[in-house]
Amino acid sequence: DSGVTQTPKHLITATGQRVTLRCSPRSGDLSVYWYQQSLDQGLQFLIQYYNGEERAKGNILERFSAQQFPDLHSELNLSSLELGDSALYFCASSVEGWADEQYFGPGTRLTVT
Amino acid sequence: AQTVTQSQPEMSVQEAETVTLSCTYDTSENNYYLFWYKQPPSRQMILVIRQEAYKQQNATENRFSVNFQKAAKSFSLKISDSQLGDTAMYFCAFMNPPGANSKLTFGKGITLSVRP
Repeated sequence: DSGVTQTPKHLITATGQRVTLRCSPRSGDLSVYWYQQSLDQGLQFLIQYYNGEERAKGNILERFSAQQFPDLHSELNLSSLELGDSALYFCASSVEGWADEQYFGPGTRLTVT
Repeated sequence: AQTVTQSQPEMSVQEAETVTLSCTYDTSENNYYLFWYKQPPSRQMILVIRQEAYKQQNATENRFSVNFQKAAKSFSLKISDSQLGDTAMYFCAFMNPPGANSKLTFGKGITLSVRP
């Protein structure tokens, strides 16, 4: 158990809908990262937050957004969902950022039908 | 942009034997970190080992060691005394230096099967 929790574990929704994925980092970790793992694109970095502020951005679509709250939990919002958004979404956390070990959560499996 | 290449999609090894997983990367940076992550069938991503580019000494963690060749931009993972629990997908990853957009870039992964 990495200490990072993600909810829900599984999510099935229809195209055009909006969903919110939630992540609670390890106690004491200030950075949260979001990744998408799909068969087509592999494992891709989406976005990083550090202590409530966006720090780094990867291949995140405009339909996706994220935020980190004062209690350091983070949410990833996915809107106008398409079939191609079906993937495993991971959250990871680290103490600060650069070169710190990232601890991954168990992931949320999103299926868009 | 940094790229990470894992050219072998699958490998198989007999239990108790040694296997080496290959990884190459491309960067113009001098200071960076390299990682190997393991993803077993449970899908949990687990850090196996990491290497700091400025350190010449190869990192070692129990049965796992790396062969880091900075000039060749090569970062292979050696697993000694392979165990059934090593069956997993292994990802090589590159972390670029701190800055406005420091992030982890992953290779496509390699599926390792350990045969009893």
